[in-house]
Amino acid sequence: AQSVAQPEDQVNVAEGNPLTVKCTYSVSGNPYLFWYVQYPNRGLQFLLKYITGDNLVKGSYGFEAEFNKSQTSFHLKKPSALVSDSALYFCAVRDIGTTDSWGKLQFGAGTQVVVTP
Amino acid sequence: ETGVTQTPRHLVMGMTNKKSLKCEQHLGHNAMYWYKQSAKKPLELMFVYSLEERVENNSVPSRFSPECPNSSHLFLHLHTLQPEDSALYLCASSQNWASSYNEQFFGPGTRLTVL
Repeated sequence: AQSVAQPEDQVNVAEGNPLTVKCTYSVSGNPYLFWYVQYPNRGLQFLLKYITGDNLVKGSYGFEAEFNKSQTSFHLKKPSALVSDSALYFCAVRDIGTTDSWGKLQFGAGTQVVVTP
Repeated sequence: ETGVTQTPRHLVMGMTNKKSLKCEQHLGHNAMYWYKQSAKKPLELMFVYSLEERVENNSVPSRFSPECPNSSHLFLHLHTLQPEDSALYLCASSQNWASSYNEQFFGPGTRLTVL
């Protein structure tokens, strides 16, 4: 079975400082990993994904994430946070080692990011 | 609005009411999904449709009834709901449901309150 954990309910960071949102996963095979962001009163927006290849993935709005297979992690990062980055961030995993993995994204509980001016 | 749209955005209903949520995707995708989002909980996948055929029913109570008349439209019919069904209901779509690497595109959601 696949699972994903976001260990922090909330991350607070000052504008201009680096931002990191943590995500760890558990799968039986190899993972496809995704990050989504949700702004207030909006649906989820896709940020980036890891499928294969380079472990460092670059996405929208200056975000990037690093796939670390040995630590089973896929942390989201941004070198310099903006107040407008304040939102709810979701990590999601799809286990491609199972036969029924086609559509099932397993989402984490989300991490609220608060960026203060 | 482009992408995935949902109506209504807000809905308040009594436990004996019948209502429907509507989702429309303008992306040419062939798979559509219903999710339930409750506070402090991971998103719960409810139903998946691929080419108008239901391919996943994730142990959802029968008081939720989905309908997919074509690949662009998805409905969630609601009847005799319980207060614990109050949540944000999100619709999503994706291309080629059998491909695990395709991301899903989400609508803004319907905020449902059951009194």
